[in-house]
Amino acid sequence: DIQMTQSPSTLSASVGDRVTITCRASQSISTWLAWYQQKPGKAPKLLIYEASRLESGVPSRFSGTGSGTEFTLTISSLQPDDFATYYCQQYNGYFVSFGGGTKVESK
Amino acid sequence: QVQLVESGGGLVKPGGSLRLSCAASGFTFSDYYMIWIRQAPGKGLEWVSYISSSSTTIKYADSVKGRFTISRDNAKNSLYLQMNSLGAEDTALYYCARVSGYSGYVADYWGQGTLVTVSS
Repeated sequence: DIQMTQSPSTLSASVGDRVTITCRASQSISTWLAWYQQKPGKAPKLLIYEASRLESGVPSRFSGTGSGTEFTLTISSLQPDDFATYYCQQYNGYFVSFGGGTKVESK
Repeated sequence: QVQLVESGGGLVKPGGSLRLSCAASGFTFSDYYMIWIRQAPGKGLEWVSYISSSSTTIKYADSVKGRFTISRDNAKNSLYLQMNSLGAEDTALYYCARVSGYSGYVADYWGQGTLVTVSS
């Protein structure tokens, strides 16, 4: 099974900050990686797929990079609506797994 | 618009069974893979199972294999998850989601979830 490790688990930031979240895979997954945003009491929302492709309707301040085993999600200028928990998901091969999540909170 | 509505959750005793349903609308259900993902209270996301559009491909997470069965009825636009031999570790909010048609097992639309609580 492929293990996904996100860091940090919690991140304190202010509106306007540049925020970067890292996700590492236990083995190469090429670019079969997605990022989701989840707010309290809500279902997750797809932000990015194939490591860097922006889902339709997602603001361009979100971007994703990486391939192989190391990936990043960047929010170029944090907005009030972006305080949430972010999850990475790998989908290499037949099985799927998620990272443990990164909570972005207000500093 | 795409809608996914889960139902069937509730309180069940350890060792018991439960059947979850997910009613889909707003898209051609029979064209898409579907997926179940769960989230234990205060915890992260965990993939449970997915099923192909024609039910020919089915996969399970190791944690549920042999206890859970995923199925679908394309005529009724419905997805199901039969859960047997439930334990406390299965307590979670269960989400039904559509697998995007453009990139692997990425979930592009999600329901609001149905809560399963396993407790005596």
